[in-house]
Amino acid sequence: NAGVMQNPRHLVRRRGQEARLRCSPMKGHSHVYWYRQLPEEGLKFMVYLQKENIIDESGMPKERFSAEFPKEGPSILRIQQVVRGDSAAYFCASSPRDGGAAMNTEAFFGQGTRLTVV
Amino acid sequence: SQKIEQNSEALNIQEGKTATLTCNYTNYSPAYLQWYRQDPGRGPVFLLLIRENEKEKRKERLKVTFDTTLKQSLFHITASQPADSATYLCAFNDMRFGAGTRLTVKP
Repeated sequence: NAGVMQNPRHLVRRRGQEARLRCSPMKGHSHVYWYRQLPEEGLKFMVYLQKENIIDESGMPKERFSAEFPKEGPSILRIQQVVRGDSAAYFCASSPRDGGAAMNTEAFFGQGTRLTVV
Repeated sequence: SQKIEQNSEALNIQEGKTATLTCNYTNYSPAYLQWYRQDPGRGPVFLLLIRENEKEKRKERLKVTFDTTLKQSLFHITASQPADSATYLCAFNDMRFGAGTRLTVKP
């Protein structure tokens, strides 16, 4: 069973371009989380998705950022008109169930996409 | 607003000693708490999960406690080894993480 796959591992974009980050969850997992991490800092929650639904996007910037998790295919984190401040490592994690009190489970992380905006 | 705090930015200990890392929280009532390990340039890896009605959980040299009165979880690594050097993160059931504590075990 392959782990969580993120691609590309490294992405360089010029200011103003679009960045598309992909995350394929583990087989059988229908819950995906996206995080942003700056060097020497912790994981900052961005968005939580289930298949075809955004459950919690409270950590997403209001502009330029969007996420989707279609019925078929990977989850996509899209950053439009990138700026230098978007440079960071973006991690996704997947789990088979949600984090509700009745169900507890760990999440499995990908190796991240390192976005550099030049 | 809810807040998760992990003690100090870095913890340095001697090989063989017990490392103790702290995760405190406020304005929160988590159903369970998780600990992860993150190595440089890699994604976090799950270590242990403890529920609110559990006082303690063990896995090999790892031990986690959860005190809902103190609003605190302690993560212990006994007989620490240089290979235990990493950043350790706590997270709650809503998958929000603390900032992490970097542990360095010196030979």
